[in-house]
Amino acid sequence: AQSVAQPEDQVNVAEGNPLTVKCTYSVSGNPYLFWYVQYPNRGLQFLLKYITGDNLVKGSYGFEAEFNKSQTSFHLKKPSALVSDSALYFCAVRDAMTTDSWGKFQFGAGTQVVVTP
Amino acid sequence: SQTIHQWPATLVQPVGSPLSLECTVEGTSNPNLYWYRQAAGRGLQLLFYSVGIGQISSEVPQNLSASRPQDRQFILSSKKLLLSDSGFYLCAWKPGREDTEAFFGQGTRLTVV
Repeated sequence: AQSVAQPEDQVNVAEGNPLTVKCTYSVSGNPYLFWYVQYPNRGLQFLLKYITGDNLVKGSYGFEAEFNKSQTSFHLKKPSALVSDSALYFCAVRDAMTTDSWGKFQFGAGTQVVVTP
Repeated sequence: SQTIHQWPATLVQPVGSPLSLECTVEGTSNPNLYWYRQAAGRGLQLLFYSVGIGQISSEVPQNLSASRPQDRQFILSSKKLLLSDSGFYLCAWKPGREDTEAFFGQGTRLTVV
């Protein structure tokens, strides 16, 4: 079974300060990890992913995330937050050991990011 | 390039009425297709997924059904809507056997009154 936890319902940060959104996961095998962002009444937009390779992955809009296997974490970070980063962020995992082609994604509950001017 | 279309964007339906939401993907073949529901603007619940025409897997027993009549078409239906069916419905797709992300449509806001 696979699961994702986003321990914070909301993260508040001042514009220009670093932003971190936490995510931990549980899978049977190796994880494929993803971050998405959602603006009100819109679909999810893909930000970045970890499949294999470097633990630090860079994505869209200046976001990056670090895969930490020992801590089973994949925290999303941005060095300097913008007001326009205010949105709902989702972490998702897929188990690489899944042998079928279903490719089911397990999403976290989401973290609301509020960036104040 | 690939695109996903989902419609309608908003829908208000009375309790007991039928439902049909449609999702189509362009620019790819044999995609994995997904229907998610998002209640109260937060977590995503996987409702159905499909790896091919006529192949539907249901994740949660409920008042809804899904069909895939064509390779790139995924339909979410209900014969009789309940108040609890209200929510934001999202269609998504992924290249069939590739280890990539899923791509989402813009969603349908369904309000059952």
